[in-house]
Amino acid sequence: EIVLTQSPGTLSLSPGERATLSCRASQSISSSYLAWYQQKFGQAPRLLIYDASSRATGIPDRFSGSGSGTDFTLTVSRLEPEDFAVYYCQMYGTSPYTFGQGTKLEI
Amino acid sequence: QVQLVESGGGLVKPGGSLRLSCVVSGFTFSDYYMSWIRQAPGKGLEWVSSISSSGTYIWYADSVKGRFTISRDNANNSLYLRMNSLRAGDTALYYCARGKSYAPGSYNYWGQGTLVTVSS
Repeated sequence: EIVLTQSPGTLSLSPGERATLSCRASQSISSSYLAWYQQKFGQAPRLLIYDASSRATGIPDRFSGSGSGTDFTLTVSRLEPEDFAVYYCQMYGTSPYTFGQGTKLEI
Repeated sequence: QVQLVESGGGLVKPGGSLRLSCVVSGFTFSDYYMSWIRQAPGKGLEWVSSISSSGTYIWYADSVKGRFTISRDNANNSLYLRMNSLRAGDTALYYCARGKSYAPGSYNYWGQGTLVTVSS
């Protein structure tokens, strides 16, 4: 089973700053089948990035994903107030399709 | 527009059973893999189970294998999760989510969830 470890657990930044979130896999993820989600309190998760670097429909271009193999990164280039939330990575190459434990992005 | 609506959650005693349903609209249900994901109160997301578009292929998390059964009715645009031998650790908000047409995939559509509480 592939374990996804996200870091940091909490990231404290201000609007306008750049955020870099990390997701490290315990084994290489095939075909870069890795996604990033944003979840705000009381809401269902929202897909941001799929296949490691493809933005989902309607996602602003300040969100970008990169990486391959075991190391993946979600970057938010200039934080907007609405970006403060919890972010999860997830792999979906082979079962089990595990999620990381999440990174809380706070002001 | 795409909609996924879960139902069937509630309060159940340890050892009890529940069946969750997810009715979808706005897309051709039979073309897509579907999944259940849960979130315990104040915790992160946990993948539970996925099913292929035809129902031929099914996957489960080890934590629910042998107790939960995923199924689908493509004629009625419905996804199900039968949960037996429920434990306190199964208490969570259960989401259904749409995968890709060719793989369990990333989930670009989610329901709002149905709450399952396992307590005596």
